[in-house]
Amino acid sequence: GAGVSQSPRYKVAKRGQDVALRCDPISGHVSLFWYQQALGQGPEFLTYFQNEAQLDKSGLPSDRFFAERPEGSVSTLKIQRTQQEDSAVYLCASSPIQGAIEKLFFGSGTQLSVL
Amino acid sequence: DQQVKQNSPSLSVQEGRISILNCDYTNSMFDYFLWYKKYPAEGPTFLISISSIKDKNEDGRFTVFLNKSAKHLSLHIVPSQPGDSAVYFCAASVGSGANSKLTFGKGITLSVRP
Repeated sequence: GAGVSQSPRYKVAKRGQDVALRCDPISGHVSLFWYQQALGQGPEFLTYFQNEAQLDKSGLPSDRFFAERPEGSVSTLKIQRTQQEDSAVYLCASSPIQGAIEKLFFGSGTQLSVL
Repeated sequence: DQQVKQNSPSLSVQEGRISILNCDYTNSMFDYFLWYKKYPAEGPTFLISISSIKDKNEDGRFTVFLNKSAKHLSLHIVPSQPGDSAVYFCAASVGSGANSKLTFGKGITLSVRP
């Protein structure tokens, strides 16, 4: 596709349930970011991949959050034992490594609601 | 502690007038600043940026001003159009490479009245 694709678009989970959110970056993009946007807030950095290597995971809020990008393309953000405070829009963004920060493209996000 | 602050949650202006969106930051390490525009149900899209070595950058109707000593930047939209109605995020980074992580403000909802 032409842009960053995220699925599902909406996810409703019961508290304690595990969820997996998928990101298909733009083809050939080396850098991949995950951001979390709570209601009424700006996006907050979660983690960064360069190809398959997770170079920065300092923004992951707890060890219930896990991200992977095993083949350097598609990435999955997994949240175990979801809590109500995990309710947010999860944004994925990708960019070519040789590009500048302006070449970061965001997907439309996955809206997670934990009941 | 919010490192990037957008203290006004909303702004309403008349079509054709100037829109001025403000942003303040606290982290002196930030050296690159960006504005993103976001429509409902879409991801943020890049609008304009400025390096800390500059105090102004212009792109068509959009101009960003940076006051380093005050740790303040502003986005001017002239003339404002109804299609500009969206949420605007100010963001900052250390460095401008593709691996730079962004710190965002909470956003300002701009409404342009026809």
